[in-house]
Amino acid sequence: DADVTQTPRNRITKTGKRIMLECSQTKGHDRMYWYRQDPGLGLRLIYYSFDVKDINKGEISDGYSVSRQAQAKFSLSLESAIPNQTALYFCATSVQGRSSYNEQFFGPGTRLTVL
Amino acid sequence: AQKVTQAQTEISVVEKEDVTLDCVYETRDTTYYLFWYKQPPSGELVFLIRRNSFDEQNEISGRYSWNFQKSTSSFNFTITASQVVDSAVYFCALSGAFSGGYNKLIFGAGTRLAVHP
Repeated sequence: DADVTQTPRNRITKTGKRIMLECSQTKGHDRMYWYRQDPGLGLRLIYYSFDVKDINKGEISDGYSVSRQAQAKFSLSLESAIPNQTALYFCATSVQGRSSYNEQFFGPGTRLTVL
Repeated sequence: AQKVTQAQTEISVVEKEDVTLDCVYETRDTTYYLFWYKQPPSGELVFLIRRNSFDEQNEISGRYSWNFQKSTSSFNFTITASQVVDSAVYFCALSGAFSGGYNKLIFGAGTRLAVHP
């Protein structure tokens, strides 16, 4: 079984609809992230959470909100989807350890299309 | 500014050719980390390597090698004897204290590599 799962894997929706993307992990990591990928722009950080009570905005948080329901679950919501939110969305996890940086592990991605 | 530049948008090679993917970074940090990720056509992100700023030794892993040069702020990735399975988008990424913290990655735009039989 995959350590980081994302649901749904693909979603087509209409402008103005509320959408939730879900991420679950079985790695026991405390840190979770949401990124979006656009062609020619690489991945950009939307929100990140270092534990259940710690939520932080990333580079491009406008139009998005998140919820950390448990250590293993981190959801991304689009309250009113718009076409320029069409992108590939990735969830990632990492763990705080003795080294200053710990590798991020990515989920398989969710392809969202907003018509 | 904290930035990663991958100037090569797309590269096309014939199988068995060697290919180098360039990555140039900007950072104010004295301690930072550099990464390469591979994104095959299936879409997932596969971690390839992490390098910290104090370790300038080149690294080789099978057909893959990485050349880290602080003097030119570059962290280039070479695939020797390329294969069709190497076809993917490759991302270079940076993290550091001034890049938003060590747990936040700044990605380059990616280089799409196509290896033809």
